[in-house]
Parts: sequence; structure tokens; C-alpha cells
Amino acid sequence: EAQVTQNPRYLITVTGKKLTVTCSQNMNHEYMSWYRQDPGLGLRQIYYSMNVEVTDKGDVPEGYKVSRKEKRNFPLILESPSPNQTSLYFCASSFGGGWGYTFGSGTRLTVV
Amino acid sequence: SQQGEEDPQALSIQEGENATMNCSYKTSINNLQWYRQNSGRGLVHLILIRSNEREKHSGRLRVTLDTSKKSSSLLITASRAADTASYFCATDNGNKLVFGAGTILRVKS
Repeated sequence: EAQVTQNPRYLITVTGKKLTVTCSQNMNHEYMSWYRQDPGLGLRQIYYSMNVEVTDKGDVPEGYKVSRKEKRNFPLILESPSPNQTSLYFCASSFGGGWGYTFGSGTRLTVV
Repeated sequence: SQQGEEDPQALSIQEGENATMNCSYKTSINNLQWYRQNSGRGLVHLILIRSNEREKHSGRLRVTLDTSKKSSSLLITASRAADTASYFCATDNGNKLVFGAGTILRVKS
């Protein structure tokens, strides 16, 4: 089944403890992206990647890192999480401009 | 940054009725897409309309695009309880999708 797989689905962590949210797609998509969704603010793009080893900042990149060493994987790294990064995170992938995105099921992160 | 703004913010209708949601945006686009999200779950791609298209159909969905007014509408015909969800428009400028705030649709059975 064609899908984007995110892990974990739920995560509660403490301020400052590094964490990684994994994202993997099995559709050979060139483009991958991370979004966060917050009430009243909608979906905002964090980082995106047009291809392997090519990443770029979205609208809210502060406090996040990404890497794209392989085409299928695009992990999101929070080096020192803070409570304002409590949010619902989505990974998405696509063949690129002009194509629809496939979204993962989401990761609900709580930083205390 | 939010590019699209949906209207209305919330819509409640009876099963069998049609639902119309509108989206306005500010800058030029390559295409505009509509997505559905069921409570807290991942977004599902519904339909994509390119900037040189005016209307597109997919099953019970009809999307229109007016680039001169920078607006789009999504019509869901003969709605069902299972259509209850949030609906988002998203504009594609080639590098990324920028989402609007969404319309919450409730279909009562």
C-alpha cells in the first residue's frame, strides 16, 4: 500500500531532551515536507526537501533540523525541544510541483 | 504564512444537501488543491486544479477556479454523514503548499 509512515504517533517528552520523529514513504517521491498544525494557526511548513541531500527552510524552521540521506526517509529532529513545540506534526510527500501530497497519520508531540 | 482563506469557517447541513466551501488566495499559483482531514488525522488529497483550468469534477466533488478573482470553490453534492470533516484549500507555487485555515463541515443524518 502506498503510504507515508510516521513514528511515533504520540510522544510526551521533557524540555531539552533531543528527539527524532521518523518519516518514510514507499512511493519513490522526490519531494518531502514537514508541517505542524496548531489551533488557530493552521498548517505551517517547517522544512522541505526537493531531493536527496537537498533541504530548505519552510515558514517556521526555528528549533528543528532535518536530513535527507535517502529518498524514502525524511526525519525531523528537535535538538532541544521546548513547550512551544507542542503540536501535531505531519510529514508529506509528492512527486513534486503539480502533484497532490500524501500525508502521514501525524505525530502528536507534547513537551513539558 | 497562510495563503488561502476559507469561507465559511464552519458549515452544518443535513444529509443529502449540497455543501459549498470557498477559498481566496493572494498571490499567483501553479495549481490549487483541496484536502480533507478527519478529526486529528492526516490530510487526504481530494482534487487538484491547475491555474489554466476553470472547473474540475471528481465523483461528488466539483471544484472551480477563478484566477482573476484569486478564488476557488469546492462543492460536495448529495452530502453524507461520512463527509463530516475539515476541508482545506492549499495553493502550490512550485516549492510548497500553503494551506488555508479550513472549513469545518458537519453533515447531520
